[in-house]
Amino acid sequence: DARVTQTPRHKVTEMGQEVTMRCQPILGHNTVFWYRQTMMQGLELLAYFRNRAPLDDSGMPKDRFSAEMPDATLATLKIQPSEPRDSAVYFCASGLVGNEQFFGPGTRLTVL
Amino acid sequence: QQPVQSPQAVILREGEDAVINCSSSKALYSVHWYRQKHGEAPVFLMILLKGGEQKGHEKISASFNEKKQQSSLYLTASQLSYSGTYFCGTGEYNNNDMRFGAGTRLTVKP
Repeated sequence: DARVTQTPRHKVTEMGQEVTMRCQPILGHNTVFWYRQTMMQGLELLAYFRNRAPLDDSGMPKDRFSAEMPDATLATLKIQPSEPRDSAVYFCASGLVGNEQFFGPGTRLTVL
Repeated sequence: QQPVQSPQAVILREGEDAVINCSSSKALYSVHWYRQKHGEAPVFLMILLKGGEQKGHEKISASFNEKKQQSSLYLTASQLSYSGTYFCGTGEYNNNDMRFGAGTRLTVKP
């Protein structure tokens, strides 16, 4: 049963600390997405990759957020330094171009 | 640019029908529909592609009007399991550049 995995599932940290979230896409998928979900803003696209190349990260605050795909089995989203307004659920999704996206379970981030 | 969904919320009794609308100010290549239950991740329902092809696997139908840049999701004879928040996602270029609407919260009561 192939699925997208994300770690950690929950993260509580203090303002100013670095946060790294990891995602393992479904094997064979060539597109990976990072989304942030809050009550106020809904589902926001932060970044996406196609064949490991970043295609769009215009939704990310560049000064503190970074997204990478060091290899086909790992995508990372890093926040440094974290701020309370970054508190949200971060979803990773993967898929094949032209088809549905499969979402991971999410990382619930709380920045105090 | 984020698509606009309507209504924001709807309450139904089991067996009733509902329509959720999604519109965009830009020309669309595709429309995705997802459902999210509380505390869970969004789950794919359906894709509608420019040119009329429709892909989906649940007893829920949808339409895609390319000229009006709109899509509608039709839920007929609703079941309790249909409760959740429905999101449309619109893509401009080959599904890569997808943006989600704010969601429609659907509640089905016995």
